[in-house]
Amino acid sequence: EVQLVESGGGLVKPGGSLTLSCAASGFTFRTSNMNWVRQAPGKGLEWVSSIDTSGTYRPCPQSLKGRFTISRNNAKNSMYLQMNSLRVEDTAVYYCARGDSSGYTSWGQGTLVTVSS
Amino acid sequence: DIQMTQTPSSVSASVGDRVTLTCRASQGITTSLAWYQQRPGKAPRLLISGASTLQSGVPSRFSGGGYGTDFTLTISSLQPEDFATYYCQQADSFPITFGQGTRLEI
Repeated sequence: EVQLVESGGGLVKPGGSLTLSCAASGFTFRTSNMNWVRQAPGKGLEWVSSIDTSGTYRPCPQSLKGRFTISRNNAKNSMYLQMNSLRVEDTAVYYCARGDSSGYTSWGQGTLVTVSS
Repeated sequence: DIQMTQTPSSVSASVGDRVTLTCRASQGITTSLAWYQQRPGKAPRLLISGASTLQSGVPSRFSGGGYGTDFTLTISSLQPEDFATYYCQQADSFPITFGQGTRLEI
């Protein structure tokens, strides 16, 4: 069974940093493209970043202005999202998702990041 | 960036109804479109990719169509578990973008 488990969310002050992790199991992680998608409370889905099997990543949307960096460790079946200079508007549930851009076939349960003073 | 616009933003329907949701892209994306279902408090679930390819395990009452800029998701006979929010997503180019969602209510 495919499982994606996010961790690392929590409460952080504006300007702070946080690193999210996604632990994968039940499939061959090293041959899977991976992604982060977020959802602000009561809002829609927003793509954050993607990383392919070789570790090549797609830059975050301009709205994130390079504050977020995606990475992966195939030996640990894990993906990460380093988030810097966090803003109140970054408050959201962050989902880890498997698949290429044609469709994200598996999703984790999400981890909540709250940015507040 | 490609903008995705879903209409309507919400729709009310009854069990057994046929309903069609619409998604429009700001520029042509051929068939590079996916549809997701999201129930409250849950992660999204991929229903359709490539505009019309049903994912494994998705009931056949769901169907997708369209090409270029205009796409549809049709549910032929609504079941209680289908009341959820539906999102389209363009897969043509980065940044990946989603529609704002259509909430399907009883």
